[in-house]
Amino acid sequence: EADIYQTPRYLVIGTGKKITLECSQTMGHDKMYWYQQDPGMELHLIHYSYGVNSTEKGDLSSESTVSRIRTEHFPLTLESARPSHTSQYLCASSGNGPGELFFGEGSRLTVL
Amino acid sequence: DQQVKQNSPSLSVQEGRISILNCDYTNSMFDYFLWYKKYPAEGPTFLISISSIKDKNEDGRFTVFLNKSAKHLSLHIVPSQPGDSAVYFCAATPDSGAGSYQLTFGKGTKLSVIP
Repeated sequence: EADIYQTPRYLVIGTGKKITLECSQTMGHDKMYWYQQDPGMELHLIHYSYGVNSTEKGDLSSESTVSRIRTEHFPLTLESARPSHTSQYLCASSGNGPGELFFGEGSRLTVL
Repeated sequence: DQQVKQNSPSLSVQEGRISILNCDYTNSMFDYFLWYKKYPAEGPTFLISISSIKDKNEDGRFTVFLNKSAKHLSLHIVPSQPGDSAVYFCAATPDSGAGSYQLTFGKGTKLSVIP
């Protein structure tokens, strides 16, 4: 059973606010990811991490930033939210097996 | 340019019949393929995968077929059940080993199984 948690599940904020989406996993996985998904569209990788103190940008350019200070924790931050950031953000982790990702339930962000 | 394409946004099937979900890819470097299932308000969950060295992988009611020359894979669900109603995402990666960090996803196909 995968154990990966995201908070908040839903967030509605005004333009210009700083927000942090939290992601934690209890599986001891080294690899963690953030995907962004709009309704009816594919998941796009925006950030990933190989382990502590390792972060990389994904295929889709994003104004968000991430940090990986602890193995279990991979938060995503938007310094100044805009309506274009409205989307669902999915956090995932993986072990050593090929490609199989364990996803959290997602954080749906709406910026007014 | 989409590298993984699921050309059917939706599919309706009667309970007990076969569901066939299709996926095409364009990147010849992809050699490991996965299907994920997503219920509303939940994250995707891994369903089944296949390596390019195989042409078929089966797990209970779920079978994935890979036609590498056609760059096509399909997911068969037999028999379909109402609980299978979800969005199914096809995903691919160029590395089936420890370096397979980055999956490329299709847009998904919404399956509705009618009781």
